[in-house]
Amino acid sequence: KAGVTQTPRYLIKTRGQQVTLSCSPISGHRSVSWYQQTPGQGLQFLFEYFSETQRNKGNFPGRFSGRQFSNSRSEMNVSTLELGDSALYLCASSLGTGNPYGYTFGSGTRLTVV
Amino acid sequence: GNSVTQMEGPVTLSEEAFLTINCTYTATGYPSLFWYVQYPGEGLQLLLKATKADDKGSNKGFEATYRKETTSFHLEKGSVQVSDSAVYFCALESGGSYIPTFGRGTSLIVHP
Repeated sequence: KAGVTQTPRYLIKTRGQQVTLSCSPISGHRSVSWYQQTPGQGLQFLFEYFSETQRNKGNFPGRFSGRQFSNSRSEMNVSTLELGDSALYLCASSLGTGNPYGYTFGSGTRLTVV
Repeated sequence: GNSVTQMEGPVTLSEEAFLTINCTYTATGYPSLFWYVQYPGEGLQLLLKATKADDKGSNKGFEATYRKETTSFHLEKGSVQVSDSAVYFCALESGGSYIPTFGRGTSLIVHP
């Protein structure tokens, strides 16, 4: 069974640009969540999508947005990049209903803003 | 609100030593508890979980027992290996939101 796939693995962008990250969840998983991981702040929740609807949102500025498609694949977009956006962005998928089965994470996209 | 507190690392051990990583939590209701592991350059992997009080989660020689009376879920392993070197995250899910709350992570370094 294929795991959670995130593309690209590495990305270098310049301040002010925008970036789109992609996540393909495990087949059958309807919930996709995004996290930002930095050495200083640890894991911070960005948002969660379930059946194409944003169900939960973390405390990030509006420059961070996402969407989910009918096949559960998700994209995350960051506009007007800042140096502080440099981080590992992790996507996680789960069944998202009923009993908690835990999350399955992708390997992440390492974003560097210069 | 929900919160998870883990012991700060790094935890440095010799191979075959006993491991304990402490985790305590604050949550509404009856949370489910998890340990995740992150190896260098990778995402998090679910290591084990427990969904109700007194449950013991176990996997790959690691164990953790859900202690409601002490609101704890400490991770233990009897004999660590160099390959166990990683960052370990304690997490909980509660309140029906399905969004886990993570601790800050504890780095484990095992020397040969």
